[in-house]
Amino acid sequence: DQQVKQNSPSLSVQEGRISILNCDYTNSMFDYFLWYKKYPAEGPTFLISISSIKDKNEDGRFTVFLNKSAKHLSLHIVPSQPGDSAVYFCAASARTNAGKSTFGDGTTLTVKP
Amino acid sequence: NAGVTQTPKFQVLKTGQSMTLQCAQDMNHEYMSWYRQDPGMGLRLIHYSVGAGITDQGEVPNGYNVSRSTTEDFPLRLLSAAPSQTSVYFCASSYSTGRGSPLHFGNGTRLTVT
Repeated sequence: DQQVKQNSPSLSVQEGRISILNCDYTNSMFDYFLWYKKYPAEGPTFLISISSIKDKNEDGRFTVFLNKSAKHLSLHIVPSQPGDSAVYFCAASARTNAGKSTFGDGTTLTVKP
Repeated sequence: NAGVTQTPKFQVLKTGQSMTLQCAQDMNHEYMSWYRQDPGMGLRLIHYSVGAGITDQGEVPNGYNVSRSTTEDFPLRLLSAAPSQTSVYFCASSYSTGRGSPLHFGNGTRLTVT
């Protein structure tokens, strides 16, 4: 059973518009969530995170929203730029297993100029 | 500051061969881990270490061995390669096991087992 799900394998948006990437989780023990970005032939890099005590965290063009009751989080990128084209992974961890992050399958974002 | 360095970048093995994927970090990070990524899938945890001399199994440990004799190095050994181990392998480290400590990844090793 997949505990972290990114149901959209791909997303295409126009430059300047908003990109919304979604992530759902099933394990109620998860209390910390991270987003990573991955370019081809490189390792993932950390983008932004959110703790379960918050419902929003913002860093420049990137905002993550957390809806604990729905077990859902989303990453908003505004405005989207062609350089944002990459694979985005959602990851979750629990206080009881702090060393282990569980990843979703990723969403490939394409931002068209 | 090199971060997390993985070698080799590419490797082709025959079924039954053994090999070691190397991983080194120069950030004095306490926590290190190995993930594999298969096409269209996320990263799955193979093994991890919370400090020198301490290792534990992740989600998919079978067929792999690790050791952590120093803070800097965390090699992953394939004991007898199988085609199912064809994948991209990522090593990652973080400052601590705390949840607020994000992972720093290497650029991966692409392994093909024929």
